[in-house]
Amino acid sequence: AQSVSQHNHHVILSEAASLELGCNYSYGGTVNLFWYVQYPGQHLQLLLKYFSGDPLVKGIKGFEAEFIKSKFSFNLRKPSVQWSDTAEYFCAVNANNQGGKLIFGQGTELSVKP
Amino acid sequence: GAVVSQHPSWVICKSGTSVKIECRSLDFQATTMFWYRQFPKQSLMLMATSNEGSKATYEQGVEKDKFLINHASLTLSTLTVTSAHPEDSSFYICSAPPGGSYNSPLHFGNGTRLTVT
Repeated sequence: AQSVSQHNHHVILSEAASLELGCNYSYGGTVNLFWYVQYPGQHLQLLLKYFSGDPLVKGIKGFEAEFIKSKFSFNLRKPSVQWSDTAEYFCAVNANNQGGKLIFGQGTELSVKP
Repeated sequence: GAVVSQHPSWVICKSGTSVKIECRSLDFQATTMFWYRQFPKQSLMLMATSNEGSKATYEQGVEKDKFLINHASLTLSTLTVTSAHPEDSSFYICSAPPGGSYNSPLHFGNGTRLTVT
C-alpha cells in the first residue's frame, strides 16, 4: 500500500531563515506529487505539484520542491520564510492507477517567529 | 478557478442522530469526489470515493453503513453520518478534481466540523 512520510512534525523558524520540509513516499510505480498548505482556520490550498518533466517545481509564494525519484522524495523548500508562512504543510501522493485518490503525509506544522 | 463548496461548515448534534454534509462543485462537473476525515493535529485520511451514478468506494476500515455517501448529480455529493457518536466528532473534508481529470490537483471544500455531544 502507498504511504507518505513527513519527517518533521513541528518546525519552528525565525523570519528569513531557510526552510526544508522532508517528504518520502513508498510506491514503486508512477506517481503525481503535491504539497498543500493549510493556514489556521482555512481550507487546504495547493502549493505546487509534480506530474512529469523538470523534477524541480516552483509553486506559489516562493516555494519549490524537488522530486528525487531514486530517493522517493519530494522535499519542500523556501529560501527565506515569512511570518505569514505559519501553517500546516501536507505532502500528498497520487498513484496514476489509483483513480485520483490522494494519500497524505502526517503534516508538518511550521511556526515562523517574527 | 474551480470551487468546491461544503455545507454546513460546522454542526453540533446529539448522540444517536444523523447528520448530512453536502459537497458541491460550483463551476465544474465532478463525476468523482473524495471524502476525507481529519482529526485534530493529524493528517487527512481518505474515507471514500464518491462516484456519480454508482456506489461509493470505501477505504478499508470505514463503515459504509455508518457513513452513507450519495452522488446524485455531477455537482453534488452528500455524506451522511448515521447514528452519530462522540467518536465521530471530526473535521470532514470533500474534494474533487476539476474537469474530472484524475491528474488535476484536487480542489478542497472548506470542511465541516462535526461535534457529537
